[in-house]
Amino acid sequence: QKEVEQDPGPLSVPEGAIVSLNCTYSNSAFQYFMWYRQYSRKGPELLMYTYSSGNKEDGRFTAQVDKSSKYISLFIRDSQPSDSATYLCAMSAGSGAGSYQLTFGKGTKLSVIP
Amino acid sequence: GAGVSQSPRYKVAKRGQDVALRCDPISGHVSLFWYQQALGQGPEFLTYFQNEAQLDKSGLPSDRFFAERPEGSVSTLKIQRTQQEDSAVYLCASSLGVQETQYFGPGTRLLVL
Repeated sequence: QKEVEQDPGPLSVPEGAIVSLNCTYSNSAFQYFMWYRQYSRKGPELLMYTYSSGNKEDGRFTAQVDKSSKYISLFIRDSQPSDSATYLCAMSAGSGAGSYQLTFGKGTKLSVIP
Repeated sequence: GAGVSQSPRYKVAKRGQDVALRCDPISGHVSLFWYQQALGQGPEFLTYFQNEAQLDKSGLPSDRFFAERPEGSVSTLKIQRTQQEDSAVYLCASSLGVQETQYFGPGTRLLVL
């Protein structure tokens, strides 16, 4: 079993829909949780960054972390065709040896249909 | 400002050839990371530099992989005697400090025939 599990999709939604993406993880040492967006043939771009449990909102994006369940989510409201990309969750321990290493999920490919 | 740049963007190599992949980090970024992203997978950590010192190479898959950052800026990832399983996108990321946000370059797509 991989440390971070993420459903690869693909996920197809109509424009304006609410999108829910999620990851589960097994390493209880993870303290920092990130969502990256990766367009085709591009590098990952940081979207959201949260520390420990809780919610964080930035415009149309909301990130949630539930450390007790080892489950993180990204919600996209009023989805747009420009949101079509692969969304990668990533985590790091934040302290200790190798804590800077990001551990990624496989990524979920999202298509928003106009 | 300029982001992380990588060259070449695409590289085709015959099995057994040596390749060198270059990364130009964001100016002033102390930390530099290399990741390997296989098709349909998330990036996987290869190695980490703080300035010119390679502090972690635990993710390098074999001794055919070698990375350097001699002046603490530009980094090169070298793969000797390439194999088909080396085909992947190689991503470079840099950050101001080791625990700061990592900014990724566009990657080098390597195909070994």
